[in-house]
Amino acid sequence: AQSVTQLGSHVSVSEGALVLLRCNYSSSVPPYLFWYVQYPNQGLQLLLKYTSAATLVKGINGFEAEFKKSETSFHLTKPSAHMSDAAEYFCAVKLSNSGYALNFGKGTSLLVTP
Amino acid sequence: DTGVSQNPRHKITKRGQNVTFRCDPISEHNRLYWYRQTLGQGPEFLTYFQNEAQLEKSRLLSDRFSAERPKGSFSTLEIQRTEQGDSAMYLCASSSDRGGQPQHFGDGTRLSIL
Repeated sequence: AQSVTQLGSHVSVSEGALVLLRCNYSSSVPPYLFWYVQYPNQGLQLLLKYTSAATLVKGINGFEAEFKKSETSFHLTKPSAHMSDAAEYFCAVKLSNSGYALNFGKGTSLLVTP
Repeated sequence: DTGVSQNPRHKITKRGQNVTFRCDPISEHNRLYWYRQTLGQGPEFLTYFQNEAQLEKSRLLSDRFSAERPKGSFSTLEIQRTEQGDSAMYLCASSSDRGGQPQHFGDGTRLSIL
């Protein structure tokens, strides 16, 4: 079965610093991969998705992620953190050839300090 | 864009009671998903509708759970004979036909079982 592991339940960065949130996947077939963001007391919002096209995927709010098959990774990055980026970030995986269910990771809470 | 609307936002009930939640998706979205999220975890897939057809159900959806989407518009999720373990945030999401994955989540209904 497909799954994702998010390394680090909490990440703290300074405003203006690089944001790197890690996600590794496990899948026996080519996966579709996703990043979602959840702001406090709000629903999740799709940031970006990988569906076997370009390996570098650009999303909203300046975020991007790179699919690396050799490392089974799909890390989320942003060159310069803003205070407004503080939120919970979830990585998710879906089998490319079946089903509609996403398997989510446990999430990483991003704290941005002044 | 009115977004995905869920009601109620909070529900407190005694163990053994039945509860029903409602989800109104974005009007042009024909795909609707229910997920459940507990503290410190990522969302877990419950069920998926395309228009009025329920196309996928998780094994998490025991016989005490039922979901409907009459006429392919709003959806309801009912839990019968609630148990302590049902306490969670219940999330609804929708997407357009070209999407495939949940695009927009509602703010959720938080269920607390006394």
